[in-house]
Amino acid sequence: QSALTQPPSASGSPGQSVTISCTGTSSDVGGYNYVSWYQQHPGKAPKLMIYEVSKRPSGVPDRFSGSKSGNTASLTVSGLQAEDEADYYCSSYAGSNSLFGGGTKLTVL
Amino acid sequence: QVQLVQSGAEVKKPGASVKVSCKASGYTFTSYGISWVRQAPGQGLEWMGWISAYNGNTNYAQKLQGRVTMTTDTSTSTAYMELRSLRSDDTAVYYCARGHIAVAGISVDYWGQGTLVTVSS
Repeated sequence: QSALTQPPSASGSPGQSVTISCTGTSSDVGGYNYVSWYQQHPGKAPKLMIYEVSKRPSGVPDRFSGSKSGNTASLTVSGLQAEDEADYYCSSYAGSNSLFGGGTKLTVL
Repeated sequence: QVQLVQSGAEVKKPGASVKVSCKASGYTFTSYGISWVRQAPGQGLEWMGWISAYNGNTNYAQKLQGRVTMTTDTSTSTAYMELRSLRSDDTAVYYCARGHIAVAGISVDYWGQGTLVTVSS
């Protein structure tokens, strides 16, 4: 199974919104409502930001939201802040295993 | 609070084996699973597999089948990941993360700090 497809980079100015896409197939993203998004700052462990497509764990700001349409999931970060600059990875259940996207580096201009 | 504390960095020669530990605290260990994820230097995340701490069921990534074994010790709330026949492209930071009790591949919420494994002759 191939990794999920993410754009390598995305950017936005403080206060703006940015959306990162994650494209898979009907065997993973499109087939299940188990898409997650992780934020990773340099040298740190990933942090769960979104699970089950659109749910936010406790403590994650509501500026972060997730959605899915067909085989593509999306993470939207609204009201960009400097601390949002990080790598973002999507992940999807794929039937007894998990696939990750290649990661998107989000730059806050 | 939930914590996953991993063992320290390792340097191994090609062909050797490595065993990384992940000690859990702050929750009921047997009510969750543990997934293992690795990240090669400068690269993305790669799912390696999952073990249920409830019943020991496992699922491994196809590319690692036959080289990886995941186990748990419920008496110490510790999970282990052993990787054999190490190659240079196994050099990576290895993470454990808390996952679903019964289903491999569902999202993980808490992560360990990572263990750097370097494979070099």
